[in-house]
Amino acid sequence: EVQLQQSGPELVKPGASVKISCKASGYSFTGYFMNWVKQSHGKSLEWIGRINPYNGDTFYNQKFKGKATLTVDKSSSTAHMELLSLTSEDSAVYYCGRNGLYAMDYWGQGTSVTVSS
Amino acid sequence: DIVMTQSPSSLSVSAGEKVTMSCKSSQSLLNSGNQKNYLAWYQQKPGQPPKLLIYGASTRESGVPDRFTGSGSGTDFTLTISSVQAEDLAVYYCQNDHSYPLTFGAGTKLELK
Repeated sequence: EVQLQQSGPELVKPGASVKISCKASGYSFTGYFMNWVKQSHGKSLEWIGRINPYNGDTFYNQKFKGKATLTVDKSSSTAHMELLSLTSEDSAVYYCGRNGLYAMDYWGQGTSVTVSS
Repeated sequence: DIVMTQSPSSLSVSAGEKVTMSCKSSQSLLNSGNQKNYLAWYQQKPGQPPKLLIYGASTRESGVPDRFTGSGSGTDFTLTISSVQAEDLAVYYCQNDHSYPLTFGAGTKLELK
């Protein structure tokens, strides 16, 4: 069974960074791109970017360049996203989503990030 | 960026009704090489991640009930629920899977009348 297990909620101070994780199981981790998506409270979905776990190639939404850094640890089948220089605008739920043959076919449960002093 | 425009923003329905919602893209999502439309539909219930319903504009994801049907091509797409059930109350999003950056519509919220 394919599962994406994300790390727990984060409360961080403005200006700080946070790294959230997405541990994959039940499939070949290096065989599928991993996407990251932001959902601000009560709002729609924004694609942050994706990473190819096989070779580490990344594709970013220009809006999130400099804000998000995507990496993977193949040894633990885990994808990571680091968010930098956090502001209140970064408070949201962040999802990882596996890219299937077409579209995002499996999603993590989401990680809530709250930026507050 | 491709802008995805969904309408209506909300729909109030009774169980058993047929429902249709629209998604329009600012550029064609048709890949001329393989003639596939790179348009996906997701369902999101409160407190849950999105769930893939339809990809390639009209292919139902495994396990999705056949009351959900996707149609359309190019820039105009439709999601139809033939007979709404209580468990279908959710927000539905369309997504451009054709070009970077991937983009989502604002969603259509299905509510109970």
